Amino acid sequence: ETGVTQTPRHLVMGMTNKKSLKCEQHLGHNAMYWYKQSAKKPLELMFVYSLEERVENNSVPSRFSPECPNSSHLFLHLHTLQPEDSALYLCASSRTTQVGSEQYFGPGTRLTVT
Amino acid sequence: QKEVEQNSGPLSVPEGAIASLNCTYSDRGSQSFFWYRQYSGKSPELIMFIYSNGDKEDGRFTAQLNKASQYVSLLIRDSQPSDSATYLCAVPFSSNTGKLIFGQGTTLQVKP
Repeated sequence: ETGVTQTPRHLVMGMTNKKSLKCEQHLGHNAMYWYKQSAKKPLELMFVYSLEERVENNSVPSRFSPECPNSSHLFLHLHTLQPEDSALYLCASSRTTQVGSEQYFGPGTRLTVT
Repeated sequence: QKEVEQNSGPLSVPEGAIASLNCTYSDRGSQSFFWYRQYSGKSPELIMFIYSNGDKEDGRFTAQLNKASQYVSLLIRDSQPSDSATYLCAVPFSSNTGKLIFGQGTTLQVKP
């Protein structure tokens, strides 16, 4: 595996379900990110982790719960989601969180909440 | 609130022409800028990073930064149909947090 991988690629879940998104980076980076991309809206940063510590939480509802067990893996735990949470969820990584550190994206998970 | 503005388009150019994509930003203190390309149904792909005023060239792509006027442009020379995509401009929110503010993107259509 190379780059940033995400699983699953597609997910359909009901509002009462609990599911998790997984991201893995094979780039030796120290920072990882979760973004949300909804139709007709700019990419929105959700969370930033640097060396497994959360450094940014962008006012995300508590029904989204991130977990970063090590610098290569990042999870997004989902529970009691709403239909408006349907979107493309993108994971990214970068060498550091310093300005100018390039972020590389995974392929994304297309989430549909029914 | 820091903002990044892009014309959503679509911008349509004929094959072989120069495509010019623009991005304006609100924070005069912004120092660096990223351009990403996103094909329909795919994730963003980094194509350019620019830090200093002036031009930066990489193959058919040229990024131009004008800090005084607070805009950054991406020029694509000899446009190809394969360049048809949405181009996202991104600006770091502040130092050391990794946070990027993205524009909504400009959709480019290159017609054969």
